[in-house]
Amino acid sequence: NAGVMQNPRHLVRRRGQEARLRCSPMKGHSHVYWYRQLPEEGLKFMVYLQKENIIDESGMPKERFSAEFPKEGPSILRIQQVVRGDSAAYFCASSPIGQGTDTQYFGPGTRLTVL
Amino acid sequence: DQQVKQNSPSLSVQEGRISILNCDYTNSMFDYFLWYKKYPAEGPTFLISISSIKDKNEDGRFTVFLNKSAKHLSLHIVPSQPGDSAVYFCAASPASGTYKYIFGTGTRLKVLA
Repeated sequence: NAGVMQNPRHLVRRRGQEARLRCSPMKGHSHVYWYRQLPEEGLKFMVYLQKENIIDESGMPKERFSAEFPKEGPSILRIQQVVRGDSAAYFCASSPIGQGTDTQYFGPGTRLTVL
Repeated sequence: DQQVKQNSPSLSVQEGRISILNCDYTNSMFDYFLWYKKYPAEGPTFLISISSIKDKNEDGRFTVFLNKSAKHLSLHIVPSQPGDSAVYFCAASPASGTYKYIFGTGTRLKVLA
């Protein structure tokens, strides 16, 4: 009964490069959420996706950030032209229903370091 | 604008005693609340939740209390064990977008053997 999988666990990029973070939801879950945690802060909602649909991206920066959840394969959070301020832990969560008192289950996170 | 606040960044408790972690919120539209535990270099692990129609929910050693009038919830762990040492996050979601969890900044619990 595999949980939410994220890779890579650690990612180092130089300023201006692209970062791609992957998330495979728990089996049976079709709702995926991305959160970002800056040092000494709580997790902040970024985006909510279902297969082939972005439902809510209100927490995502308007520029350089994009997310997708294709019909086949993992969800991808893509950060173009990374800057030092993008250094953070990025967590993916999944849930079975997406509404009501649905509980989100989190992956181990990807720690992005921008040099 | 911190809508979910955990005002104690850290807490130390003796093994076997009760740990009480507190959380305050400002948005009266929140109607679902959760507690997550997080170990270093891992993702948050779901612990327990409570809906606003209840004022208490219990699961083994963990009990969450909700005081809607005070906009306050607390997590009680009894008896505390060294393995409970972790950062505990309180999260809330509004009725209008129940997927958009709003997290507090966390309380680091240390259970002393």
